[in-house]
Amino acid sequence: KNEVEQSPQNLTAQEGEFITINCSYSVGISALHWLQQHPGGGIVSLFMLSSGKKKHGRLIATINIQEKHSSLHITASHPRDSAVYICAAMNYGGSQGNLIFGKGTKLSVKP
Amino acid sequence: EAGVAQSPRYKIIEKRQSVAFWCNPISGHATLYWYQQILGQGPKLLIQFQNNGVVDDSQLPKDRFSAERLKGVDSTLKIQPAKLEDSAVYLCASSKQGGGEQYFGPGTRLTVT
Repeated sequence: KNEVEQSPQNLTAQEGEFITINCSYSVGISALHWLQQHPGGGIVSLFMLSSGKKKHGRLIATINIQEKHSSLHITASHPRDSAVYICAAMNYGGSQGNLIFGKGTKLSVKP
Repeated sequence: EAGVAQSPRYKIIEKRQSVAFWCNPISGHATLYWYQQILGQGPKLLIQFQNNGVVDDSQLPKDRFSAERLKGVDSTLKIQPAKLEDSAVYLCASSKQGGGEQYFGPGTRLTVT
């Protein structure tokens, strides 16, 4: 079992829909990252959070430390949101700053 | 502020050949990471540097992979000799210090034939 699990693996939505991607982790963490990866490989950091909720534009990330669960929401989705979204846990054990990555959720938003 | 730079962006080599990747982190970032991302999977940490010292290389296949960050700034990752299973995207990231937010480069896509 992976230490960081994401669901769904693949997601297709119509433009304008509200999207939720889930992430569950089994390790103790100091922070959780949400990353966006476009075709071609480059990764952009969307959020780093250790509690509560963060919002940036149409993106919202929440985390529940007790339940070891985080969600990434996209409101009013747009085709340019199509990408792979990766959840990564920064754990307490091991090297400082070491990220444990989920396998990613491939999002496709249709016009 | 310039981002993390990587080169080359793409590389195709035959198995048993050697290859090197270069990374220049964001200026002032003490911590540098090399990740390997195989198609369909999340990135896997290969090595983490703090300035010019190695913090974690536990998942680096040391029989064929090597990395250095001699002056604590830019870094090179080498594979010698390459195997088919080394085909992947190699990502470099940096952060101000270990545990901070990581900034990723565009990656190098390696194909071993």
